Amino acid sequence: AQKVTQAQTEISVVEKEDVTLDCVYETRDTTYYLFWYKQPPSGELVFLIRRNSFDEQNEISGRYSWNFQKSTSSFNFTITASQVVDSAVYFCALSEEDSSYKLIFGSGTRLLVRP
Amino acid sequence: DVKVTQSSRYLVKRTGEKVFLECVQDMDHENMFWYRQDPGLGLRLIYFSYDVKMKEKGDIPEGYSVSREKKERFSLILESASTNQTSMYLCASSAEGGYNTGELFFGEGSRLTVL
Repeated sequence: AQKVTQAQTEISVVEKEDVTLDCVYETRDTTYYLFWYKQPPSGELVFLIRRNSFDEQNEISGRYSWNFQKSTSSFNFTITASQVVDSAVYFCALSEEDSSYKLIFGSGTRLLVRP
Repeated sequence: DVKVTQSSRYLVKRTGEKVFLECVQDMDHENMFWYRQDPGLGLRLIYFSYDVKMKEKGDIPEGYSVSREKKERFSLILESASTNQTSMYLCASSAEGGYNTGELFFGEGSRLTVL
C-alpha cells in the first residue's frame, strides 16, 4: 500500500539555521512521483517540487534543496539559512503511475522559524 | 493572477443541515479536486472531477457528493452534516494531465464546524 510518513510533527529553529524535513514513502510501483508542498498561514498550499522515480538527482533551488534516495525510500527537504517567511506547514506527497490523479499526502511538518 | 476561490472561509452549521461548499477556478483547468485536511492526517481526497459532469470517488467519499455542471465550478455537498465532518476543506485544480505533474493549485480552504 502507498504511504507517506513525515515523522517530524513540529520543528522550531532560529533564523539562519539550516533545517531538514524528512519524508519516507512506501510504494510497490516502480514508476511514481514525489512532491513537496508548502502551506503558509494563509492556508493555500503551494507546489514546490516534483520528482519522478527515475530521477535521483538532487535538486537545488535557491535556499531549498531536495535529496531523493530510493535505497532508503526517502525524499528529504532542506532549507538553508532559514528565514521567518519559511514558517509554514510542509507536506510531502506521493502519486503512483496507475493512479496518478491521486496524491497521497503525509501528515505534514510544521516549521517555525524564530527571529 | 491565477486563482482558485472557495466561497466561504468559515462556516458553522448544525447537525443534519445540508451544506454546500463552492469552488471556482479561473485557469480553464480540466481537473478539480476536493480534499479534507485534519491534524495528524494530512490531506485526504474526497472526490475529483476530470471533466464537466464527470466525477470519481477518492479515499473518503462517504457522506459527501459533488457537482460539476460547469468547467470552472466544482461543488462539494454534505447531504446531512455530522460533527465528524468538522474539518478544513481544500479545493484544487490542475490542467489536463496536470495531475501527473502534481501541480495542483489550491484555494485557501473552507473551515467547517458542525455543531
